[in-house]
Amino acid sequence: GAVVSQHPSRVICKSGTSVKIECRSLDFQATTMFWYRQFPKQSLMLMATSNEGSKATYEQGVEKDKFLINHASLTLSTLTVTSAHPEDSSFYICSARLRTGGPSSYNEQFFGPGTRLTVL
Amino acid sequence: RKEVEQDPGPFNVPEGATVAFNCTYSNSASQSFFWYRQDCRKEPKLLMSVYSSGNEDGRFTAQLNRASQYISLLIRDSKLSDSATYLCVVNRFGDMRFGAGTRLTVKP
Repeated sequence: GAVVSQHPSRVICKSGTSVKIECRSLDFQATTMFWYRQFPKQSLMLMATSNEGSKATYEQGVEKDKFLINHASLTLSTLTVTSAHPEDSSFYICSARLRTGGPSSYNEQFFGPGTRLTVL
Repeated sequence: RKEVEQDPGPFNVPEGATVAFNCTYSNSASQSFFWYRQDCRKEPKLLMSVYSSGNEDGRFTAQLNRASQYISLLIRDSKLSDSATYLCVVNRFGDMRFGAGTRLTVKP
């Protein structure tokens, strides 16, 4: 299957600092990438959809000024958590959609390994 | 009401047991359906797609009932390595929505 990487895998930071997480599709081009957040024992919650060359689409309740998303190329999307606070501590996972030419609903998403953010 | 609902479990079963997970979804316009597996502190990985006709992959069988908006996953002859959280995923126009997952522990 297609490979998606995330960096860093784990980050611990002080409250008030900003953290950047990178998501890369290693062997395919991803016009669309997705950012999810998962709190312990809860489901993955979609935060935003990132399209190459355009502004991200944020889900209701997700602050776009706090979670900055940049999708500058077909293989890289970044999520920056600005002025992180302890309540932002979570598991952040990106995924990239592999286009197979069929209806978008059947295009599989491949997930990165996740980034565990701890804000002290 | 959540868009995708699953019994969170946990399901604790002995090796060799058969176990079934259920999932319901609320949006009748949902187009495609999947089961993902997620190990502790890892990313989800696709286990299998779910088709209306039902599909089987080795010890795993998935069923979809569009009329009832219900999806199931059956695991036969469960192995220790099947221990994980199983996520029901519903896709609508490329927008995937995840259930909270059902935790399975297979014991010797």
